[in-house]
Amino acid sequence: EVQLVESGGGLVQPGRSLRLSCATSGFRFDDYAMHWVRQAPGKGLEWVSGIDWNSENIDYADSVRGRFTISRNNAKNSLYLQMNSLRPEDTAFYYCARILGYPAGNFDYWGQGTLVTVSA
Amino acid sequence: QSVLTQPPSVSGAPGQRITISCTGSRSNIGAPYDVHWYRQLSPTAPKLLIYANSNRPSGVPDRFSGSKSGTSASLAITGLQADDEADYYCQSYDSSLSTWVFGGGTKLTVL
Repeated sequence: EVQLVESGGGLVQPGRSLRLSCATSGFRFDDYAMHWVRQAPGKGLEWVSGIDWNSENIDYADSVRGRFTISRNNAKNSLYLQMNSLRPEDTAFYYCARILGYPAGNFDYWGQGTLVTVSA
Repeated sequence: QSVLTQPPSVSGAPGQRITISCTGSRSNIGAPYDVHWYRQLSPTAPKLLIYANSNRPSGVPDRFSGSKSGTSASLAITGLQADDEADYYCQSYDSSLSTWVFGGGTKLTVL
């Protein structure tokens, strides 16, 4: 069974940092590109960042470029999102998602999400 | 302002058929990149409903169907049921932005 489990969310002050993790199981992790998608409370889905299987191709939304860094450890079947210089508008549920197909693939499996709250 | 445009809400009575539109442009749906649909029951994670415009993952009833034409796509649900109430999102890829894009979401209410 495919499973994606996020962790690392929490309450953080503006300007501080947070690192999210996504532990995966049930599939060959290094066969897939992985992404982060976020959803502010009561709002729609926003794509954040994506990384291909060997970390050679990495993409970011304009809203996080220069502040967030996506990475992965294929030996640990894990995906990460380092978030620096956090802003109140970064408050959201953050989901990791597996993508099937490139570039116009679909997100076929999602984690349960982890909540990041940026507030003083 | 989402790159893909969906109606904020749709409604229908049990048993009826509804459609949800997703309008894009020549750099995404019209490129042509595939359109995918997700269903979300808050506060849970989205779940893939339709992939590659018109394909259903295993376990999704054939009451759900998707189509695409030009720069738009549609999700149709027939035989509406109470538990179809959820938020529905379309998704594609945009070559001008080099990003994955979502519609703003449509809240389905079963009357």
